[in-house]
This record gives sequence, C-alpha cells and structure tokens, in this order.
Amino acid sequence: NAGVMQNPRHLVRRRGQEARLRCSPMKGHSHVYWYRQLPEEGLKFMVYLQKENIIDESGMPKERFSAEFPKEGPSILRIQQVVRGDSAAYFCASSLESHRNEKLFFGSGTQLSVL
Amino acid sequence: GDSVTQMEGPVTLSEEAFLTINCTYTATGYPSLFWYVQYPGEGLQLLLKATKADDKGSNKGFEATYRKETTSFHLEKGSVQVSDSAVYFCALGRQDSNYQLIWGAGTKLIIKP
Repeated sequence: NAGVMQNPRHLVRRRGQEARLRCSPMKGHSHVYWYRQLPEEGLKFMVYLQKENIIDESGMPKERFSAEFPKEGPSILRIQQVVRGDSAAYFCASSLESHRNEKLFFGSGTQLSVL
Repeated sequence: GDSVTQMEGPVTLSEEAFLTINCTYTATGYPSLFWYVQYPGEGLQLLLKATKADDKGSNKGFEATYRKETTSFHLEKGSVQVSDSAVYFCALGRQDSNYQLIWGAGTKLIIKP
C-alpha cells in the first residue's frame, strides 16, 4: 500500500521560471494538504483541497501560487515566476477524513531550490 | 498567536543514552499536541499525541506528557538506538481548525553506535 508520493524529490529552478510540485495521495484519500517549510522554521499550512475543490487556501500567498487536485491524477502545487524566497521544502499530506488531525499521512517532501 | 518552540539541533547522542527533546508551546484554550518523526528519505509520521492536560502519549519507547502548567510536551526515551536517528517535529493542533497544525522547526537527532 503505497504512501503519499511526492515528486520530484529535488527541484532546481532559476528565478522567473515555473515550479510544479506533484502529490499523489494515499489510495482512497480524497483530502490533500500542502505545507511549506522555510529554512530554520516549522511547517506552515498553505492549502487544503478535496477532489476538484479548494477548501481553504488561507495560508497560500495570493500571487504566483496556485494549487489544484483534479478528478484524475495528482494534486499539483504550481509556483510561477519563482524567487529565491520560494526556496523551501514543500510537504504534502493526505487524509481519509478532514476532521481528525492525527489521521494525516505525509509525503517525504520536495526540496525546491531557486538559483 | 499560537506557536511551538523546540530545541535546536542537531542533538548527538551515543547508543543507549537517555534522550530529551524539549518542546514548549503558546496557545489559548486546550490544544492537542503531537510529535512527528521523519526518518531519512521518508515522510513525516505521527509518533505520539496527547489531547488533554496530564495525558501521556507513548509509542516505540518514546513518551511525552502534556504539561499545561509549564506549557510543555517534551519528548523522552530511556535508551536510544541508531535507528532512532531522524528529525523530530513537535506540533500543536489548533482548536479553530481541524486540519491546520502549528509546527516547531524540527530537531535533528543523530545516534552514534
């Protein structure tokens, strides 16, 4: 039973390029959450999605960042025109239900480096 | 606002040593508290949790007690093994959000044989 799969593990982009981070939730999970961990800081919630719907994007920057979770395929976190400050580890989690914190299953993260 | 502070790493210990990783929090009300662990190359996994004051969470020989009087949730293990080498995250579950967690910065633990 595969866990939450994130790819790529490492992504290098130059300033101004686009970054696409993918997350395949655990089988049967329809709730996906994205977190960002800046250097020397804790994870910060970005966005919560269910299939085809954004439920809560209160933690996501208003510009350049977008997320989707289509009916088919992985969830995508997209960062347009990346800047050096976007360099961070991006973690995805999934859950079967949304109302119990302890039922989150995490991926191993994508490390984004912006040159 | 709510926050979590945990001791900086890396923490380096010899096998069979006693482990304490400190975690303190600031929150209103009665949050739930969690320890997550990330082994090399893997995703974060829930290690243990406590949902109310004086609760003790335990798993794989690790323990942590929810201390409201000191607003702490320190992680302890009596005898660590090389396989315990990982990054440990303390987190707080917000009462006004059932899926957002407030995280500490993580503490890297290195166990030498």
